[in-house]
Amino acid sequence: QQPVQSPQAVILREGEDAVINCSSSKALYSVHWYRQKHGEAPVFLMILLKGGEQKGHDKISASFNEKKQQSSLYLTASQLSYSGTYFCGTERWNSGNTPLVFGKGTRLSVIA
Amino acid sequence: EAQVTQNPRYLITVTGKKLTVTCSQNMNHEYMSWYRQDPGLGLRQIYYSMNVEVTDKGDVPEGYKVSRKEKRNFPLILESPSPNQTSLYFCASSFSGGELFFGEGSRLTVL
Repeated sequence: QQPVQSPQAVILREGEDAVINCSSSKALYSVHWYRQKHGEAPVFLMILLKGGEQKGHDKISASFNEKKQQSSLYLTASQLSYSGTYFCGTERWNSGNTPLVFGKGTRLSVIA
Repeated sequence: EAQVTQNPRYLITVTGKKLTVTCSQNMNHEYMSWYRQDPGLGLRQIYYSMNVEVTDKGDVPEGYKVSRKEKRNFPLILESPSPNQTSLYFCASSFSGGELFFGEGSRLTVL
């Protein structure tokens, strides 16, 4: 079941913050976040495992609330290089036999 | 260099002409997967493989076949392509549950 991302698109000025949400109707084992720049392949940002953990990657961090079945990606003091489409991918359990299912993406545009 | 290699990168073909998109990874990953990307629909999974000789359908498997005879290779076969299979295709691989590494993508146009 495809996770739901919000918002679908957001425009920021350099230095502003943004939050991208990813929610599922099913219980999750893990959440992945990827960024795809125009004309390129998606690139891994981070994985969060159940347990309510929070991770950071430069000025990009994320949280995972397994009870609420949702994850949020936080972009702080955005830079032009943050522009792209952000995808969350979810795994429902760690049986070793579950695929990663992606949301439809959130298009982030950072302008000067 | 660790990488996932797809070929061809671009292809224009006609309805019904069988084609294969190859995918090869050099990281000894167990998990490999094919996705198609269409505007507004995100990355939709076609097929995935947990290991050699183990494959399973994703969300949009109709019209596609795959095989996993060797750990490094996971070709995507379109037996009789149709225009609705015009899309951007990505192959990806990972250790089970780990970071996905994507190929550069194959843009397919079916006329």
